[in-house]
Amino acid sequence: GESVGLHLPTLSVQEGDNSIINCAYSNSASDYFIWYKQESGKGPQFIIDIRSNMDKRQGQRVTVLLNKTVKHLSLQIAATQPGDSAVYFCAENMNTDKLIFGTGTRLQVFP
Amino acid sequence: NAGVMQNPRHLVRRRGQEARLRCSPMKGHSHVYWYRQLPEEGLKFMVYLQKENIIDESGMPKERFSAEFPKEGPSILRIQQVVRGDSAAYFCASSPTSGTVNTGELFFGEGSRLTVL
Repeated sequence: GESVGLHLPTLSVQEGDNSIINCAYSNSASDYFIWYKQESGKGPQFIIDIRSNMDKRQGQRVTVLLNKTVKHLSLQIAATQPGDSAVYFCAENMNTDKLIFGTGTRLQVFP
Repeated sequence: NAGVMQNPRHLVRRRGQEARLRCSPMKGHSHVYWYRQLPEEGLKFMVYLQKENIIDESGMPKERFSAEFPKEGPSILRIQQVVRGDSAAYFCASSPTSGTVNTGELFFGEGSRLTVL
């Protein structure tokens, strides 16, 4: 069954604020995690990834945090913009040939 | 560089008909993955193929579904005798010849949306 889940199905933020999207995973053997963004009617788009030997990784306006103790992953988006509105998925890999996706969180950005 | 190309983007079938979904991976990619997504849900792994080989089909229903990735041409996901429950978006992803999922180099197409009447 699914081992990846999200705490909040919908997150509404005001433009310019920071967004935090959370993800819980249950398989401690997972060693690689990816955040994807999916806009309406489109395919998932890679945002950022992190390996289990790290606890933080930064990209452009995005930061992923990994807490292996509580099996928690988060995606932080700084200065959220209307173009960030989408569904965000975390996905995990256990050194196999496939990714396991979570249910997703819808991010809505209001002006 | 063209991305992962899927067609058709939208497909309508009546119950009992066959659906064929095609996926052309990115240039130079020989690893193809198929995922299914129901509305408001995450993507569920179906099958992983390399050229002429099915590597992992653990997510494929035992009946009516099949996939291939021939030496020449696109990967095909075939659904026979479709039922309403097959209505979903089917996404294809590809990765480079030497890459694996662990490198993050998994590129998705725009999906094929199947509606079964």
